[in-house]
Amino acid sequence: DAGVTQSPTHLIKTRGQQVTLRCSPKSGHDTVSWYQQALGQGPQFIFQYYEEEERQRGNFPDRFSGHQFPNYSSELNVNALLLGDSALYLCASSALAGRRTQYFGPGTRLLVL
Amino acid sequence: TQLLEQSPQFLSIQEGENLTVYCNSSSVFSSLQWYRQEPGEGPVLLVTVVTGGEVKKLKRLTFQFGDARKDSSLHITAAQPGDTGLYLCAGARDDYKLSFGAGTTVTVRA
Repeated sequence: DAGVTQSPTHLIKTRGQQVTLRCSPKSGHDTVSWYQQALGQGPQFIFQYYEEEERQRGNFPDRFSGHQFPNYSSELNVNALLLGDSALYLCASSALAGRRTQYFGPGTRLLVL
Repeated sequence: TQLLEQSPQFLSIQEGENLTVYCNSSSVFSSLQWYRQEPGEGPVLLVTVVTGGEVKKLKRLTFQFGDARKDSSLHITAAQPGDTGLYLCAGARDDYKLSFGAGTTVTVRA
């Protein structure tokens, strides 16, 4: 049974560019959440998708947007990249019945130069 | 400002010693999770606690959720080098989004 998968594993971009990160949830899970983890800090909640809609959003600007597809996979898009967007981006999936418990993927390491 | 405060920030002990990591908040949570994270990888779930006063044991790890559901602790007995990692607590309220502490870096020396 595959766990949460994310792609790509690493990415290097320059300021002002746009990036798309991808996530496939654990089998049987229908809810996907995205987190940003800066070096030396705990993950910060970006947003959560369920039934192809954004259900919750953290304190992140509109440059951060997402999408969930009918197969429950999800994308995170970041426009107009800033140096401060450099971080580990984590995707977590959960099932509606047990949404408290989230399982994380390995993350995508984004470096903005 | 972190909703959850973890202490200590760093912990270095000798193999065989015991350790305790604390997670405190002024907010009430419907559940609290503990994760362990290796460098460059995603957090791996260790346990979820949902009832005030609940104690869960996972081999040498003991997790406790405070009676008021505002705090939690993780105790490791007879630590081993394989226990080395970043330990994160995360609380969920009714909206189910997780609020993380800053983490405790544990190093167990052989």
